[in-house]
Amino acid sequence: KNEVEQSPQNLTAQEGEFITINCSYSVGISALHWLQQHPGGGIVSLFMLSSGKKKHGRLIATINIQEKHSSLHITASHPRDSAVYICAVWETSGSRLTFGEGTQLTVNP
Amino acid sequence: KAGVTQTPRYLIKTRGQQVTLSCSPISGHRSVSWYQQTPGQGLQFLFEYFSETQRNKGNFPGRFSGRQFSNSRSEMNVSTLELGDSALYLCASNLAGGYEQYFGPGTRLTVT
Repeated sequence: KNEVEQSPQNLTAQEGEFITINCSYSVGISALHWLQQHPGGGIVSLFMLSSGKKKHGRLIATINIQEKHSSLHITASHPRDSAVYICAVWETSGSRLTFGEGTQLTVNP
Repeated sequence: KAGVTQTPRYLIKTRGQQVTLSCSPISGHRSVSWYQQTPGQGLQFLFEYFSETQRNKGNFPGRFSGRQFSNSRSEMNVSTLELGDSALYLCASNLAGGYEQYFGPGTRLTVT
């Protein structure tokens, strides 16, 4: 079992839909990242969370430390949101990032 | 402020050769981490350098090594390349070894 599990692996949505991507982890963490990767490979850090909720534009990230679960929400999705979204955690024991397998999101016009 | 830069962006090598990849962090950042991304294994941590010292290492064979220079630029080296080393190699920097990570564009290595 992976230490960081994401669901769904693939997600197709219509423009304008509300999208949720989930991340569950089984290790103690110091912080959690949501990353975005476009074709071509470049990775952008969207959020870093250690508690509560953060919002940036149409993106919202939440984390529940007790339940070891985080969600990334995209409101009013747009084709330019099409990318791979990756959850990554800073393990308290290893002082390193451990990554989920990613969620491939496709938003159709 | 310029972002993290990696050179070269693309590289094709033959099995058995060695390769050196370079990463220049954001100005003022002292920590550089390296990651490997493959279709089968996803993203995996290779190692982290802080102030010219390797501070953390992932689960990779000794063929993978790195170093950091006094200007915080970092290089990673892979010796005796294998087909399975074909991957996107990403580096990321941060100011002082904290939790933020600023990623470079990656170097795509193909081993034939």
